[in-house]
Amino acid sequence: DQQVKQNSPSLSVQEGRISILNCDYTNSMFDYFLWYKKYPAEGPTFLISISSIKDKNEDGRFTVFLNKSAKHLSLHIVPSQPGDSAVYFCAARTAGGTSYGKLTFGQGTILTVHP
Amino acid sequence: NAGVTQTPKFQVLKTGQSMTLQCAQDMNHEYMSWYRQDPGMGLRLIHYSVGAGITDQGEVPNGYNVSRSTTEDFPLRLLSAAPSQTSVYFCATRRGNVKDTQYFGPGTRLTVL
Repeated sequence: DQQVKQNSPSLSVQEGRISILNCDYTNSMFDYFLWYKKYPAEGPTFLISISSIKDKNEDGRFTVFLNKSAKHLSLHIVPSQPGDSAVYFCAARTAGGTSYGKLTFGQGTILTVHP
Repeated sequence: NAGVTQTPKFQVLKTGQSMTLQCAQDMNHEYMSWYRQDPGMGLRLIHYSVGAGITDQGEVPNGYNVSRSTTEDFPLRLLSAAPSQTSVYFCATRRGNVKDTQYFGPGTRLTVL
């Protein structure tokens, strides 16, 4: 059972436009959500996160929105740059004392930004 | 400061062979974990450790063993490799606080024939 889903395997955007990556989750015990970015032949790197008590977090060109009632979050990149081309993973952290902050990842979305 | 290192980068095994994927970190992080990445499946947690001497199973532990004798090292052992274990394996570390960022190694690409 996939508790974190990224239903779009790929997204293609023109340079300078907005990229919107989406993520849905089913487990209401998730208390923290993260986005990781992964280039080929490298490990994922942390991009931005949001606590379940907030609905928006911004860091430069990157903004994450959380809609708890819909169990949906999205990552907006404005403006998109060719260097943003990568695989983006949504992840959710399980709350609770014995979970040790384990992360559950989505399938990933391949973002391609065309010059 | 090397961060998280993984060896080897690439490995080809025959079905039934055993091997150990190495993971080392020099950040004095308490929490270490192993993930596998497969197309369409994202990253799935295999095993994790919250400190030396303590390990536990993740989402997909079957076919893999781990141990944590030191803070720095967290090897992943495949006892009898199967083609279903063909994947890219990532080691990740984090300080003890669950709110801290998780750092990933560069990965090991394993093919089992």
